[in-house]
Amino acid sequence: AQKITQTQPGMFVQEKEAVTLDCTYDTSDPSYGLFWYKQPSSGEMIFLIYQGSYDQQNATEGRYSLNFQKARKSANLVISASQLGDSAMYFCAMRSIFGNEKLTFGTGTRLTIIP
Amino acid sequence: NAGVTQTPKFRVLKTGQSMTLLCAQDMNHEYMYWYRQDPGMGLRLIHYSVGEGTTAKGEVPDGYNVSRLKKQNFLLGLESAAPSQTSVYFCATGWASDSNQPQHFGDGTRLSIL
Repeated sequence: AQKITQTQPGMFVQEKEAVTLDCTYDTSDPSYGLFWYKQPSSGEMIFLIYQGSYDQQNATEGRYSLNFQKARKSANLVISASQLGDSAMYFCAMRSIFGNEKLTFGTGTRLTIIP
Repeated sequence: NAGVTQTPKFRVLKTGQSMTLLCAQDMNHEYMYWYRQDPGMGLRLIHYSVGEGTTAKGEVPDGYNVSRLKKQNFLLGLESAAPSQTSVYFCATGWASDSNQPQHFGDGTRLSIL
């Protein structure tokens, strides 16, 4: 069985600072993918970034980067130069290559950017 | 391009009533999923479908039924609603083989059972 752990229920960060959201995972599958989604107060789920378990480099998408440490089973999301619009819930999720593409989600981190 | 559309967006039911949530997609995705989101618990998979005419149970299937009669539609049914089914329901779609592609989510249905 797969498990995602997000240990930070909430975080407060000053605008323009960088922030790291923690995600650790547990799986016995040899091949898997890790995703981060953003959920603003309006409720929709917005895909941010993906990391494959065999990717050699850490994924980056604009201000988002993923600090992937496979041996530690961690996939932390880093947001550089935070903005007020980054205030939202953030979910880490995992998908097994052999699991009919189902996503297993963590419990989320509520990020609040302070002006 | 509408993507993934869920109807209704909000609904209030009384205990014991039945209803059906509709998910419609125009992305030609093979896989479709129903999740529920509860406070402090993230999203949990209820049922999913890997293609037209097929369905399978997820993590929390009890009290729900699903049908995928057409590729573009995935229905979630509550036969006898219970207060424990008060939640926000999300439909998602995805490709069968491109595992680096994200699932695409609808905007959610907020369901309250009184």
